This record gives sequence, structure tokens and C-alpha cells, in this order.
Amino acid sequence: GAVVSQHPSRVICKSGTSVKIECRSLDFQATTMFWYRQFPKQSLMLMATSNEGSKATYEQGVEKDKFLINHASLTLSTLTVTSAHPEDSSFYICSARSGGATDTQYFGPGTRLTVL
Amino acid sequence: KQEVTQIPAALSVPEGENLVLNCSFTDSAIYNLQWFRQDPGKGLTSLLLIQSSQREQTSGRLNASLDKSSGRSTLYIAASQPGDSATYLCAVRIMGFQKLVFGTGTRLLVSP
Repeated sequence: GAVVSQHPSRVICKSGTSVKIECRSLDFQATTMFWYRQFPKQSLMLMATSNEGSKATYEQGVEKDKFLINHASLTLSTLTVTSAHPEDSSFYICSARSGGATDTQYFGPGTRLTVL
Repeated sequence: KQEVTQIPAALSVPEGENLVLNCSFTDSAIYNLQWFRQDPGKGLTSLLLIQSSQREQTSGRLNASLDKSSGRSTLYIAASQPGDSATYLCAVRIMGFQKLVFGTGTRLLVSP
């Protein structure tokens, strides 16, 4: 089956620094990738939809200047949390849309971000 | 706005029981519905995907049904095992959109 990887799996950073998370589709090309965040014991909330070669579409209430998304190729999307604060600590999960006949989303293993 | 709710929020059962997890959604104009499993601190594992034109899907001990008109889906787990302990999430893809709307999740604990 289709595989999506995320790097790093967990990161701890100091308040005020920026953190970049990578999402890669390993064996298929993904024209669309999605970024979700999940707080403890809560469900996934969509942050933004990322289309290759164009600007990301952010969900209501998500600051686009704080969560920078780049989708420069068909297999890679990055999420950069700028000037991170403790309230940004969360589990970030990406997914990649396969398109074609199956047209389904495959999810990455997630990245645990802790901001001190 | 599509809202997805799952009942119960948590469930604890002894090993061997058959159980049913429920998912309801407010807008029946969906493209498909998907059930996922999430282990603590991990990503999502897709279990079953039901297209809007389908009524059910089966995989091993799992059976998922879809009643689009009533806005409901159920996930049936037969002969539960401790390894089934996880959080189960349902998600709907809205017709005409790519994004998924996730339910609130059911935390399942199967004790030996």
C-alpha cells in the first residue's frame, strides 16, 4: 500500500524558535497533501490543504503566517511552525491524496512537537 | 457545516465480546466514509472505506455499514481481542471537496 512518511517523529524546541516538519509520499505522487493537528485525547482538526505548486488553503482560525506550508514537489510538503510557543505543542499529522481510481488519503505517522 | 459524532466516547469490554461503534454525520451529501484506528502517540491506520454508493465493507473481523440517508455508520468488531485496544475514528469526505471531517473518536479497551 501507499506509504507516507513524516520527519521528524518528535521534536522539542525552545519558545520563539521555528520548526520544520516534512511530509513525503514515498511510492506515489500526491498533488494534494493535508495537514492536521491533534490535541491530547481529541480528534484530528484540518489545518490546511496543500496543492503542489500553489498556495495552501487554510481552514478558518488557522494563522497562515504562523504555520507556513510549502508543497514544492509531488512527493514533499513541509509545515513550518514559526516563532513557536507552548500552546503550539501538539501532534501534527499529514496525509497525501493518491488520486486516480482509489482517490484516497494516506496518513503519515505524525510528529510530536513540544515547545518549552 | 458537516459535523461528525461518535458514540460512545469510550468503551471497555472483556476479551471475546462482539461490539459496535457508532458514527453519525449531519450532512448526507458525502463522497465516502472511512474508519481508522489510532494507537496512542501514533498515526492513523485505515481500516475500511465505504463509498457513498455502498452499504457495507468487510475486512476480517471488522464490518462497517453505511446508511447515508440517516447519516449513520457502524463499525462492528467480532470476537474482540486485547490487540484491538485503540482509538477508532470515523471520517467523512464531503461531496465536492477533498478534505475529510473527522469524528470525535471512540477509545476502546479490551481486557484479557
